[in-house]
Amino acid sequence: DAGVIQSPRHEVTEMGQEVTLRCKPISGHNSLFWYRQTMMRGLELLIYFNNNVPIDDSGMPEDRFSAKMPNASFSTLKIQPSEPRDSAVYFCASSGDRAMNTEAFFGQGTRLTVV
Amino acid sequence: AQKVTQAQTEISVVEKEDVTLDCVYETRDTTYYLFWYKQPPSGELVFLIRRNSFDEQNEISGRYSWNFQKSTSSFNFTITASQVVDSAVYFCALVSGAGSYQLTFGKGTKLSVIP
Repeated sequence: DAGVIQSPRHEVTEMGQEVTLRCKPISGHNSLFWYRQTMMRGLELLIYFNNNVPIDDSGMPEDRFSAKMPNASFSTLKIQPSEPRDSAVYFCASSGDRAMNTEAFFGQGTRLTVV
Repeated sequence: AQKVTQAQTEISVVEKEDVTLDCVYETRDTTYYLFWYKQPPSGELVFLIRRNSFDEQNEISGRYSWNFQKSTSSFNFTITASQVVDSAVYFCALVSGAGSYQLTFGKGTKLSVIP
């Protein structure tokens, strides 16, 4: 299996622009997570999907952030409009078990820079 | 509330030395899972181990070993005969409560192995 695939690996955009991050989870996994990593806050959960349904989006920082999972093999995280404070590494992870008693596998991350 | 503390921010060792990374966790749940992830300079998060709260057996995998002690709420990670390729940031994480899914990460320990 190719693992969790994220694209793009790096994204540089200007403040105010729309940014879309993409994720392909591991085939057969029914749980998908978006995490954000910053120096100040470390790794924090943004949103969790189970069977393509958003279960917990309490970590989404504000309305500028939205996430979708139209099918079991694809998810997007969109920021519109982007701001410099959104600069971070965004990770997608998938897991084969809702209860997380199996490990979550992470993608390589998307490093977002908003200038 | 759940919390993971990695008190060591940075550690430097000379190649072939043994090194232990500390992890202390807090939870009121009796069912929980503990994890270690490795983040090499390339940025991805690599799963290393998962341990559930009912299994206090220590584990060894090659040069890696883990010591889980519920009495001190610790889940320490030891690398024996360290190598330069072990240089990375190591994260300890916790999922707490039956049915839970959110990984709570520590701040990470940056390990530098000097040749």
